[in-house]
Amino acid sequence: KAGVTQTPRYLIKTRGQQVTLSCSPISGHRSVSWYQQTPGQGLQFLFEYFSETQRNKGNFPGRFSGRQFSNSRSEMNVSTLELGDSALYLCASSFDGQGGYTFGSGTRLTVV
Amino acid sequence: EDKVVQSPLSLVVHEGDTVTLNCSYEVTNFRSLLWYKQEKKAPTFLFMLTSSGIEKKSGRLSSILDKKELSSILNITATQTGDSAIYLCAVDTHYGGSQGNLIFGKGTKLSVKP
Repeated sequence: KAGVTQTPRYLIKTRGQQVTLSCSPISGHRSVSWYQQTPGQGLQFLFEYFSETQRNKGNFPGRFSGRQFSNSRSEMNVSTLELGDSALYLCASSFDGQGGYTFGSGTRLTVV
Repeated sequence: EDKVVQSPLSLVVHEGDTVTLNCSYEVTNFRSLLWYKQEKKAPTFLFMLTSSGIEKKSGRLSSILDKKELSSILNITATQTGDSAIYLCAVDTHYGGSQGNLIFGKGTKLSVKP
């Protein structure tokens, strides 16, 4: 079966702009989690969506937001980009958000 | 605050060596511990451990959980250059508001030289 698909693979944006990243989970998985990975901080949890509802949120500013659609696809949005937002953004899907997580290949965001 | 600590942070070995990677954790309501291998981008799943003392094996890789010591080890025997990667340890918890939130260590970067 198809894995977790993230688009785009790479993105370069200017400070102050906004960006939207997309994640299509494995068929049948209803939970999608988002993580930010940087060399200094490692993987940090952003938020988790299940059946179109945000159930859990990490410690990130309100500029980071997300949503989930009825087909379980999820998007995350970052507004007013800062240089420090440059990172690899990974999403992971699971059936119910309680184990069995599969990761996508990520979106590499560079803010200049 | 929940935390996961991995050691060492980096390791350089030669092909054929055996390596042991360590992961310790302090979390509320432990559910499971997971190991992932990250070569370029997508972390790929290696093991999920829930019960103490039961070794999981897959080829040259094995892992075991010690709930008393709040730790786990990942062993790789007869290392190959293809084992070069970052190995991530993560802990899954189960309490209200923890769904989908894996707590990761910083990872161990393993380099295997020919």
